Amino acid sequence: DGGITQSPKYLFRKEGQNVTLSCEQNLNHDAMYWYRQDPGQGLRLIYYSQIVNDFQKGDIAEGYSVSREKKESFPLTVTSAQKNPTAFYLCASSAQPHERGYTDTQYFGPGTRLTVL
Amino acid sequence: AQKVTQAQTEISVVEKEDVTLDCVYETRDTTYYLFWYKQPPSGELVFLIRRNSFDEQNEISGRYSWNFQKSTSSFNFTITASQVVDSAVYFCALSEAGQGAQKLVFGQGTRLTINP
Repeated sequence: DGGITQSPKYLFRKEGQNVTLSCEQNLNHDAMYWYRQDPGQGLRLIYYSQIVNDFQKGDIAEGYSVSREKKESFPLTVTSAQKNPTAFYLCASSAQPHERGYTDTQYFGPGTRLTVL
Repeated sequence: AQKVTQAQTEISVVEKEDVTLDCVYETRDTTYYLFWYKQPPSGELVFLIRRNSFDEQNEISGRYSWNFQKSTSSFNFTITASQVVDSAVYFCALSEAGQGAQKLVFGQGTRLTINP
């Protein structure tokens, strides 16, 4: 079954701790993304990666870090510098468009709900 | 800058009623893509439809239909004969077109409740 998996489903963090959220895909997609969703709001882009060993900041990257060592994996670390980390985190992936003027659809994982205690 | 507005925060209807979710967008790009996603209580975003800016044909998929009007920058979504399983939060999103990964700009979402 092709898809995107995220783990854990629920994560609790004490203040001052770093935590890492996992995202894995077996869709053979080149591009991967991390979004944050706060209650009653839409999604906001944290980081994205077009290819292995490359990633760019999104709109709200402060307090977060990522790595892309493998095509299938794009883990997100929420650092202690992130002041309000309690949120729902969604990972997505899409095929890399090779034609100018074309954008592929992003498909999403089931999400990780992070709560700071 | 790109922006998506879903003015309806919450909608509640009785089962079998038709319901339309509004989406208005802003962009300076001539080529762009519009999307609708469904977020059931489980939280995962489920892709429903993608439309590019050059294709203004309306689309129907079963009880779902989409009306894209460039003249009013709107991409509305109608559910006909709604069912309880349609209860979810629905998001409209906008993306530039281009090579490489593209950011999705989301609206605030509309929470749809279908009552039996």
